[in-house]
Amino acid sequence: KAGVTQTPRYLIKTRGQQVTLSCSPISGHRSVSWYQQTPGQGLQFLFEYFSETQRNKGNFPGRFSGRQFSNSRSEMNVSTLELGDSALYLCASSSGHPGADTQYFGPGTRLTVL
Amino acid sequence: QQQVKQSPQSLIVQKGGISIINCAYENTAFDYFPWYQQFPGKGPALLIAIRPDVSEKKEGRFTISFNKSAKQFSLHIMDSQPGDSATYFCAASRGQAGTALIFGKGTTLSVSS
Repeated sequence: KAGVTQTPRYLIKTRGQQVTLSCSPISGHRSVSWYQQTPGQGLQFLFEYFSETQRNKGNFPGRFSGRQFSNSRSEMNVSTLELGDSALYLCASSSGHPGADTQYFGPGTRLTVL
Repeated sequence: QQQVKQSPQSLIVQKGGISIINCAYENTAFDYFPWYQQFPGKGPALLIAIRPDVSEKKEGRFTISFNKSAKQFSLHIMDSQPGDSATYFCAASRGQAGTALIFGKGTTLSVSS
């Protein structure tokens, strides 16, 4: 099976702009979670989608949003970018069913905000 | 509030030695404890995971030891190799579908040859 894919791999934006990141989960997986990784805060959970519905949300401002499509692909949007949003954004997929906890991560999108 | 504390922050081990990384958690509702390995420029990859109904799980050179009463778990890498040089993260979750993985801050392991 192909792994989790994320596009683009690298992005450079300026403050105030918005950005959309994309994630394609492993075939058959219906759950997609997003994480932010920074040197200072480490890996932090943003939100999780299952069957096109946000099922869980972390402690991030409303500028961070996401959605999931019927084919389980997910997008994450960050509006009004701030310098502190520079990070590696990771997507993880899992089956989403009870007891199936394993999350498989993609390679991430490196976002740099100037 | 950091719910999963990981130590040490960095670790240098001789080739063939044992690498030990420790984690402690606070939330007794956690019931799934994975370890991830991350190389530069890559996403985290699952190494091994354990649930609190067992005290130890071994997969190849990697072993998780789990102490439920102390709320601690550790990763042991036997016969450490230079290729094991990476950042290791412990994590915990409530194990329900859709719940977040709460990660430790990571340990950078360097295995010298």
